[in-house]
Amino acid sequence: EAGVVQSPRYKIIEKKQPVAFWCNPISGHNTLYWYRQNLGQGPELLIRYENEEAVDDSQLPKDRFSAERLKGVDSTLKIQPAELGDSAVYLCASSPSAWGLTNTDTQYFGPGTRLTVL
Amino acid sequence: QKEVEQNSGPLSVPEGAIASLNCTYSDRVSQSFFWYRQYSGKSPELIMSIYSNGDKEDGRFTAQLNKASQYVSLLIRDSQPSDSATYLCAVNIWDDMRFGAGTRLTVKP
Repeated sequence: EAGVVQSPRYKIIEKKQPVAFWCNPISGHNTLYWYRQNLGQGPELLIRYENEEAVDDSQLPKDRFSAERLKGVDSTLKIQPAELGDSAVYLCASSPSAWGLTNTDTQYFGPGTRLTVL
Repeated sequence: QKEVEQNSGPLSVPEGAIASLNCTYSDRVSQSFFWYRQYSGKSPELIMSIYSNGDKEDGRFTAQLNKASQYVSLLIRDSQPSDSATYLCAVNIWDDMRFGAGTRLTVKP
């Protein structure tokens, strides 16, 4: 079974430029997460999708960040314009999340995109 | 108070010893608990999940959960240099996963 796929793996941009990250979750996984991980910290949730619906985007800086999961499968996270403080690793994860069933909330992570804003 | 707290370490143990990693969480309604291992420059990799009070063993790894004390731990027996990594504790709080900052473990040959 293929794991979570993310691209690009690395991105270097100038501040104020836009950037987009793509994620394809594990087949059949309903729930998709975007996290940001700063050096020496644990992942911090940005947004959670249940199928195509964003059910928790409270931590997403909406002035510059946007995300979509139009067909309930793959997802795109965008930053426009990027700031120096956005330099981090952006992780995508997915889980089966079958409601009412235990052990289905385990999240599986993609390799991440390392963003450097100069 | 942070939702999930871990000692940042570094924790250093000799090869063959038992490594003990600890985590506390703040929300009593949490029901799902996870340990992830993260090698430098890599993404988190699931080691164990635990849902009930008590111990859960998988090979050299044992997860321990005490919901009354809001405490979860991970024991690594017969530690190997390849176990050297950052270990992240994660707690499912209202369907959102909250991660600790991680404990960096070094196993010395």
